[in-house]
Amino acid sequence: DSGVTQTPKHLITATGQRVTLRCSPRSGDLSVYWYQQSLDQGLQFLIQYYNGEERAKGNILERFSAQQFPDLHSELNLSSLELGDSALYFCASSVGSSDHEQYFGPGTRLTVT
Amino acid sequence: GQSLEQPSEVTAVEGAIVQINCTYQTSGFYGLSWYQQHDGGAPTFLSYNALDGLEETGRFSSFLSRSDSYGYLLLQELQMKDSASYFCAVRDRDNYGQNFVFGPGTRLSVLP
Repeated sequence: DSGVTQTPKHLITATGQRVTLRCSPRSGDLSVYWYQQSLDQGLQFLIQYYNGEERAKGNILERFSAQQFPDLHSELNLSSLELGDSALYFCASSVGSSDHEQYFGPGTRLTVT
Repeated sequence: GQSLEQPSEVTAVEGAIVQINCTYQTSGFYGLSWYQQHDGGAPTFLSYNALDGLEETGRFSSFLSRSDSYGYLLLQELQMKDSASYFCAVRDRDNYGQNFVFGPGTRLSVLP
């Protein structure tokens, strides 16, 4: 158990819908990272927040957005969902702003039908 | 852009030693890390190299050569539980800013 929690574990929704994935980092960690893992794309970095501020950005789609709240939990919002958005979404956390040692949550499996 | 290359699959027997290579091409370079992921599980951090040389952590070691843009993960005394996918990852900087990039992963199968 990494200490990072993610909800929900599974999510099934239809194309065109919007969903919110939630992540709580390990106690004391200030950074939250979001990753997408699909079979054909591997593990893709989406975005990082550090202490409430956006710190780094990957090739995150405009339909996707995230935020980190004052209690340091984070939410990833996915809108206008497409079939290709079906994937595992991982949240990770770390102490600092640019750590290679990241602790991953169990992931949210999103299925878009 | 960035790219990382790893072998897609490696097979070895229990008790053996296996080396998983990773070559990278990045605009900037801030170190190479390794993660392990079992089927259905989350990635777990194994090691990090910022400087050239070998880092040892128990049965696992990681090596980096920045001049060759190359690193490897060495697993000794293989156990069945080591069967998993192994990813190398770098932190890079591109037009979007800083970016964590993972390799495609190497699936290790440990046979009895």
